[in-house]
Amino acid sequence: KQEVTQIPAALSVPEGENLVLNCSFTDSAIYNLQWFRQDPGKGLTSLLLIQSSQREQTSGRLNASLDKSSGRSTLYIAASQPGDSATYLCAVRNSGNTPLVFGKGTRLSVIA
Amino acid sequence: NAGVMQNPRHLVRRRGQEARLRCSPMKGHSHVYWYRQLPEEGLKFMVYLQKENIIDESGMPKERFSAEFPKEGPSILRIQQVVRGDSAAYFCASSPAEVWTEAFFGQGTRLTVV
Repeated sequence: KQEVTQIPAALSVPEGENLVLNCSFTDSAIYNLQWFRQDPGKGLTSLLLIQSSQREQTSGRLNASLDKSSGRSTLYIAASQPGDSATYLCAVRNSGNTPLVFGKGTRLSVIA
Repeated sequence: NAGVMQNPRHLVRRRGQEARLRCSPMKGHSHVYWYRQLPEEGLKFMVYLQKENIIDESGMPKERFSAEFPKEGPSILRIQQVVRGDSAAYFCASSPAEVWTEAFFGQGTRLTVV
């Protein structure tokens, strides 16, 4: 049974810092991995999708890497801003037609 | 092309009442997943539906919960005789085909049972 863990559960950093959020999964035979952002009381916004054959994806100040063999992914946020404050969720899919399995998220606060 | 639409956004029900949550998939999408997010918890899979078919309901409680996705209209998640423990955010995601790539979610319905 796939399990996804995100560390740390919460993180507070001053504006401008570069930071790394971690995601680990127990079954390395994944189909893809997706990072989401969730603002309080809001829905999920897709940030980055990494297919199992890929090592990383980049979008603006965000970079996500995937190491399937070790069951890990990291989300790197460069030059953090207060507007980046949100909960970041990592989710993996074991095959193309199976549900996403989510971690509990990392709650990020960027202090101005 | 509108995204996945869920309504209502907020729903308050008294214990024992019924809750009906609606999910309109993106245009052309025929597959829907429902997830539940309990306070301070991650999203948990509930049910996977294709139009007029339930593909996988392994994550849905056996009692009081049901889901449908008719040929016409939105997917409905129904919770009968709600209890306080049903208070949560319910999200749906849709796909055009059985094999998914990127998942896009609706804004969710926040159910509060009083």
